[in-house]
Amino acid sequence: GEDVEQSLFLSVREGDSSVINCTYTDSSSTYLYWYKQEPGAGLQLLTYIFSNMDMKQDQRLTVLLNKKDKHLSLRIADTQTGDSAIYFCAEGSARQLTFGSGTQLTVLP
Amino acid sequence: NAGVMQNPRHLVRRRGQEARLRCSPMKGHSHVYWYRQLPEEGLKFMVYLQKENIIDESGMPKERFSAEFPKEGPSILRIQQVVRGDSAAYFCASSPPSLTYEQYFGPGTRLTVT
Repeated sequence: GEDVEQSLFLSVREGDSSVINCTYTDSSSTYLYWYKQEPGAGLQLLTYIFSNMDMKQDQRLTVLLNKKDKHLSLRIADTQTGDSAIYFCAEGSARQLTFGSGTQLTVLP
Repeated sequence: NAGVMQNPRHLVRRRGQEARLRCSPMKGHSHVYWYRQLPEEGLKFMVYLQKENIIDESGMPKERFSAEFPKEGPSILRIQQVVRGDSAAYFCASSPPSLTYEQYFGPGTRLTVT
């Protein structure tokens, strides 16, 4: 079955870059996503990438996709304290998404 | 444009009672998805609905759970005879008909079963 895995925790210093990694197993996934969840809140769609792309950049966010290794990463440049949250990787199609367990990003001053 | 609305935000039920969770999609969105998040886990897909139709319910437990999205009004996720294991955050997402791969989530309903 489908499985999405992420490391649980990441700490970075304010101003540094953060890189959050994710691996997935379903090679038929059409889209891969990054969502952000702040405490007590819902999920905010940050960005997504089509499976036929290998990179997407959106302001401070860069998504890299290695389809051969089924590896997805999210790089946040110039990380700020407001970036502290849980980041979920997800893969799927137009019907349902399969989520990882989330990476808790802590930004240290 | 208001986002996806869910209510109540918090719901406490005793074992054996019924829980009704409501979701109003974003304006113009006709596709609704329900997910469940257990503590310290990712979201698990439950059901995908369009107006008056269940499209995919492969993630729904076979008993006690049902969902609907009527022609008028919000989508409802109904849990009958709740048990402690139903305690979780239930999230609704919606997408527009032309961009079904973009799912926008509501703030969730946190259900606690005592």
